[in-house]
Amino acid sequence: NAGVTQTPKFRVLKTGQSMTLLCAQDMNHEYMYWYRQDPGMGLRLIHYSVGEGTTAKGEVPDGYNVSRLKKQNFLLGLESAAPSQTSVYFCASTPDSLRGPYEQYFGPGTRLTVT
Amino acid sequence: AQSVTQPDIHITVSEGASLELRCNYSYGATPYLFWYVQSPGQGLQLLLKYFSGDTLVQGIKGFEAEFKRSQSSFNLRKPSVHWSDAAEYFCAVGAYSGAGSYQLTFGKGTKLSVIP
Repeated sequence: NAGVTQTPKFRVLKTGQSMTLLCAQDMNHEYMYWYRQDPGMGLRLIHYSVGEGTTAKGEVPDGYNVSRLKKQNFLLGLESAAPSQTSVYFCASTPDSLRGPYEQYFGPGTRLTVT
Repeated sequence: AQSVTQPDIHITVSEGASLELRCNYSYGATPYLFWYVQSPGQGLQLLLKYFSGDTLVQGIKGFEAEFKRSQSSFNLRKPSVHWSDAAEYFCAVGAYSGAGSYQLTFGKGTKLSVIP
């Protein structure tokens, strides 16, 4: 069981470039989340998905898009990167939360720098 | 909407001393509460969780937390800190939205430094 994995681990982009972050989980979890972590700000929810083919906005969705074409994968896209998107990005997943509360399982993170 | 406050941004303790990290939450219904730990350059690891029942919960690495509904608090404690406990600690509250989705709201974290 790999749990939650994230690709890539590090990335440097120039302003205006695009990229996609991949999150994969092998626990058959229904819910998946993307967060960004900035110093002194804790974790802020960008987008989330409650199942294959569904996505929803979180607290800070602007400048990001997501897709959940397969249950095990959740992609985060930056169409035109900005320096304000320099951050550490975490993916998380949780089982079907309609059956009860669960903790979220986190990936190792992707450190993105936009110059 | 729910919220979490961790009043202490940075705490320094000596190795072997006791530790208490504070967490206050705001949520109208029964809260689902969590403590996570993040070592430098790592992801978040669950220390413990509270859903219902006994208000004193035990976690990994010798940590415990006590849920106090009257104070809206879920403070994390450890009787004797080890140097390896130096990390950042996050309190979180889980809640269902009106649309049926489930989300965690995190505090801004408390960074723990340990003096050998």
